Amino acid sequence: GIQVEQSPPDLILQEGANSTLRCNFSDSVNNLQWFHQNPWGQLINLFYIPSGTKQNGRLSATTVATERYSLLYISSSQTTDSGVYFCAVGVHNRFYTGANSKLTFGKGITLSVRP
Amino acid sequence: NAGVTQTPKFQVLKTGQSMTLQCAQDMNHEYMSWYRQDPGMGLRLIHYSVGAGITDQGEVPNGYNVSRSTTEDFPLRLLSAAPSQTSVYFCASSLGLAGPKDNEQFFGPGTRLTVL
Repeated sequence: GIQVEQSPPDLILQEGANSTLRCNFSDSVNNLQWFHQNPWGQLINLFYIPSGTKQNGRLSATTVATERYSLLYISSSQTTDSGVYFCAVGVHNRFYTGANSKLTFGKGITLSVRP
Repeated sequence: NAGVTQTPKFQVLKTGQSMTLQCAQDMNHEYMSWYRQDPGMGLRLIHYSVGAGITDQGEVPNGYNVSRSTTEDFPLRLLSAAPSQTSVYFCASSLGLAGPKDNEQFFGPGTRLTVL
């Protein structure tokens, strides 16, 4: 199956710093999502980005599908950004019409932002 | 919309007991799935469904059963709980059509299960 690798596994930042989180995947995908899991365990959708670039406030993401990687940028980090960031990818299910795809998750990047 | 809801939030079972984790969504999503999350492992797919009456296995299906009799509900059954099934379980759903955003999956709050 498809492999998803995230780096770095752990990241410690001082509040206000910028960071880049990386996701590499081993095959062509039709779905790529970034999630933030907060300290209470809730998975929060950050971006649905199988290709291209998107921005949402201090966060932005870029996926270069042809080179099989995605980057999540966090600018001016805040303590509330702490948690685990997951990249998940999906491959088109050829047996069904539509774009259903099973997500394969990376192991996550644990971010700690210190005040 | 309530989105994706899961019950219970917490559960403790003894080895060999059975139980059903409930998942419901009110977004008229066709695609629903169950994942388990273990420390250091990310989330792994257990079972999924592309519509009412259609289910299939994911990466780690052993010990779990599912059925999909309605679009809204997708329960996960543990027939004989084992300590290896101690985990946090997440249900997810997506529209599942062919539009550009229809693949985006939305997750419930999770069920934390402990098997003694």
